[in-house]
Amino acid sequence: KAGVTQTPRYLIKTRGQQVTLSCSPISGHRSVSWYQQTPGQGLQFLFEYFSETQRNKGNFPGRFSGRQFSNSRSEMNVSTLELGDSALYLCASSLEVGSAFFGQGTRLTVV
Amino acid sequence: LAKTTQPISMDSYEGQEVNITCSHNNIATNDYITWYQQFPSQGPRFIIQGYKTKVTNEVASLFIPADRKSSTLSLPRVSLSDTAVYYCLVGGQDTGRRALTFGSGTRLQVQP
Repeated sequence: KAGVTQTPRYLIKTRGQQVTLSCSPISGHRSVSWYQQTPGQGLQFLFEYFSETQRNKGNFPGRFSGRQFSNSRSEMNVSTLELGDSALYLCASSLEVGSAFFGQGTRLTVV
Repeated sequence: LAKTTQPISMDSYEGQEVNITCSHNNIATNDYITWYQQFPSQGPRFIIQGYKTKVTNEVASLFIPADRKSSTLSLPRVSLSDTAVYYCLVGGQDTGRRALTFGSGTRLQVQP
């Protein structure tokens, strides 16, 4: 069974640009969550989607948004990038009630 | 949310058993204890989850005393590839749906 797939693995963007990250969950998983990991703040929850609806949201500015498609694939978007947005962005999928399985992440560098 | 306290780092040698203890004095009645492992630049990997007493799987064992105010992750006969950060989380059983709170974790270094 394939795991959670995140694309791209690495990304370099310039301040002010916007970026879209993609996540394909494990087959059959309908819940997708997103996390940001930085050396200073650790792992922080961004949001969680289930059946194309956002169910939970972390404490991040509106520049961070996401969506989920009917096939459970999810994207997150960050607009007006700031240097502080440089981080490892992780996606996790799960069954409606179950353990979270994480992808390998997308390393975003903002210059 | 129940706060967890773990050692910042631990050192071990290949072949030894490693026990990482997590303190969670304010654990709620419905809370489960879940452990994740994370390698550099990779996502956390679910290791084990338990509610009380002892849980064992092919990777590790989890010991939870009767008062549930602490738990111990036991890794039998570690190898170099077990060098990673280990996180103890306390909360609902469904770690997928809720916003997980990862603390600083325990950085385990396994030496040859």
